[in-house]
Amino acid sequence: AQSVTQLGSHVSVSEGALVLLRCNYSSSVPPYLFWYVQYPNQGLQLLLKYTSAATLVKGINGFEAEFKKSETSFHLTKPSAHMSDAAEYFCAVSEGGDDKIIFGKGTRLHILP
Amino acid sequence: EAGVTQFPSHSVIEKGQTVTLRCDPISGHDNLYWYRRVMGKEIKFLLHFVKESKQDESGMPNNRFLAERTGGTYSTLKVQPAELEDSGVYFCASSQVGFGRNEKLFFGSGTQLSVL
Repeated sequence: AQSVTQLGSHVSVSEGALVLLRCNYSSSVPPYLFWYVQYPNQGLQLLLKYTSAATLVKGINGFEAEFKKSETSFHLTKPSAHMSDAAEYFCAVSEGGDDKIIFGKGTRLHILP
Repeated sequence: EAGVTQFPSHSVIEKGQTVTLRCDPISGHDNLYWYRRVMGKEIKFLLHFVKESKQDESGMPNNRFLAERTGGTYSTLKVQPAELEDSGVYFCASSQVGFGRNEKLFFGSGTQLSVL
């Protein structure tokens, strides 16, 4: 069965510092992996996705994630945090051909001035 | 182009009452999904419509939940009678036919349901 584990329900970083949000997954077949973001009072928005092409995936707003099969990880990074990055981030997995997405519990990112 | 619209944005009801949530997908999107997030937990899949047909309803918690999508346009999710554990945020999402791998999945902003 698929599952996703996000380490840390809350992460705080200073403005301009590196953002690192951790995600580990479990899947019996090669997975599709996603990061979604939810800004206050908005719906979930796709940041980036991995679909078995390049292992380093670039997304919107300067975010990127690297698929590491050996570590079953898909951590999200951004070199320099901006105040507007404050939001809740969800890692998710789906198995190829399966319409269901399995989400992690989410990590709320706080940006300190 | 309008996004996925959910109504109401918030609903507060008492245990035992009935509530109906509505979702209007993006026009032309055949796939419609319902998800739920109970406070502090994962966003969990409830069910998937393709047009008016239920493709997968394996995530529906019990028979107090009834989802419909008459005519293959908007969808409703009724909870009757509501229980305390039904509180949470209910998300709707839609995608075009052929994007079954959720590559182009658009989410609404959710309905916050509080059962007292």
